[in-house]
Amino acid sequence: EVQLVESGGGLVQPGGSLRLSCAASGLTVSTKYMNWVRQAPGKGLEWVSVIYVDGSTYYADSAKGRFTISRDDSKNVLYLHMRSLRAEDTGTYFCVRWNEAFDIWGQGTMVIVSS
Amino acid sequence: DIQMTQSPSSLSASVGDRVTITCRASQDIGNYFAWYQQKPGKVPKLLIYAASTVHSGVPSRFSGSGSGTDFALTISSLQPEDVATYYCQKYNSVPLTFGGGTKVELK
Repeated sequence: EVQLVESGGGLVQPGGSLRLSCAASGLTVSTKYMNWVRQAPGKGLEWVSVIYVDGSTYYADSAKGRFTISRDDSKNVLYLHMRSLRAEDTGTYFCVRWNEAFDIWGQGTMVIVSS
Repeated sequence: DIQMTQSPSSLSASVGDRVTITCRASQDIGNYFAWYQQKPGKVPKLLIYAASTVHSGVPSRFSGSGSGTDFALTISSLQPEDVATYYCQKYNSVPLTFGGGTKVELK
């Protein structure tokens, strides 16, 4: 079964850092474009970042300079390193495979930025 | 950056109604376009990709049309299980922008 399982979310103070992980099974993260998408409580979907097969990375303006997407091919895990977190970063973060559009989504991990 | 504008933001329809949601891109995106369904409290699911290709397992009452800048999602006969928020997305180039969403409710 193809599955993406996120972890690493939690409560963090403004200005703090967090690392999200996405463990893949039934698929290889290095052979597809992999993304992070977030959703603030009660709001719409917001694309955050993508890592291509060749390792190229791209970010939404809201994430540039603060977030870093990466992967560990030996562990088949996708990461999102987040720093200088703000209240507006609060939400559920989804790990998503880009195959034919965004076809496989994880269950998400909740990030709350609050003092 | 290309903006994606969905309309309406919400709608109410009866079971069996034909429902159409539209999405407009601020620039030509070809057919690099998708629709997603997100039921309350659930993870988004891919419905349509390449503007009009129905994803595996999606009921045949869902269809997509359009290319360039104007796109539509049609539910031919609304069912109770279709109550959800629907999102459009462009994926021709980064940023991979989503539309604001259309909430579909039963009348």
